[in-house]
Amino acid sequence: GAGVSQSPSNKVTEKGKDVELRCDPISGHTALYWYRQSLGQGLEFLIYFQGNSAPDKSGLPSDRFSAERTGGSVSTLTIQRTQQEDSAVYLCASSPDWTSYEQYFGPGTRLTVT
Amino acid sequence: DAKTTQPPSMDCAEGRAANLPCNHSTISGNEYVYWYRQIHSQGPQYIIHGLKNNETNEMASLIITEDRKSSTLILPHATLRDTAVYYCIVRGISNFGNEKLTFGTGTRLTIIP
Repeated sequence: GAGVSQSPSNKVTEKGKDVELRCDPISGHTALYWYRQSLGQGLEFLIYFQGNSAPDKSGLPSDRFSAERTGGSVSTLTIQRTQQEDSAVYLCASSPDWTSYEQYFGPGTRLTVT
Repeated sequence: DAKTTQPPSMDCAEGRAANLPCNHSTISGNEYVYWYRQIHSQGPQYIIHGLKNNETNEMASLIITEDRKSSTLILPHATLRDTAVYYCIVRGISNFGNEKLTFGTGTRLTIIP
């Protein structure tokens, strides 16, 4: 079946602009995770959803970052007033529910802020 | 076909060093050892990663054996907030996209007051 998809695959934006990143999880997966990975670093957890609610937003780096999920499926990560330090690969993963050991990752969105 | 094995649970006294072992005997030359932890109902938190040299950051130290078949995560002065499940994962540095990440069962670390 279809895996996790993300769009766009690449995004170049000017400092100060807003960006929206989209994630389509595997059908039926109720848990959805957002991470980012800077060059040479590990995954940095941002936020996760169980259904449409976000029990843990502790990883969001600042109030410029927000995420929503509607209908228990597609999620959007929004970064307002982008800064150069926001440049990274943003990865989305889904799993059957938040207690699952396995997370299935999408291909990621490479964000470059110039 | 787990790539890592960890003890299911450990206790550690508050203020003491917590040493969490992980075996990864099938690790390949270009794979890194990552450690994450998960506090109940929260998302996975990155702790540290390494290739072959010992690593230290503000959270922990990672000791990797010379043959790279095992490693130990050290929390130098454990606090009650360090109670969590700790996961040892072996991955390539840039292989997270389009991959399935298996956290495994991890080690449930309980810090005792």
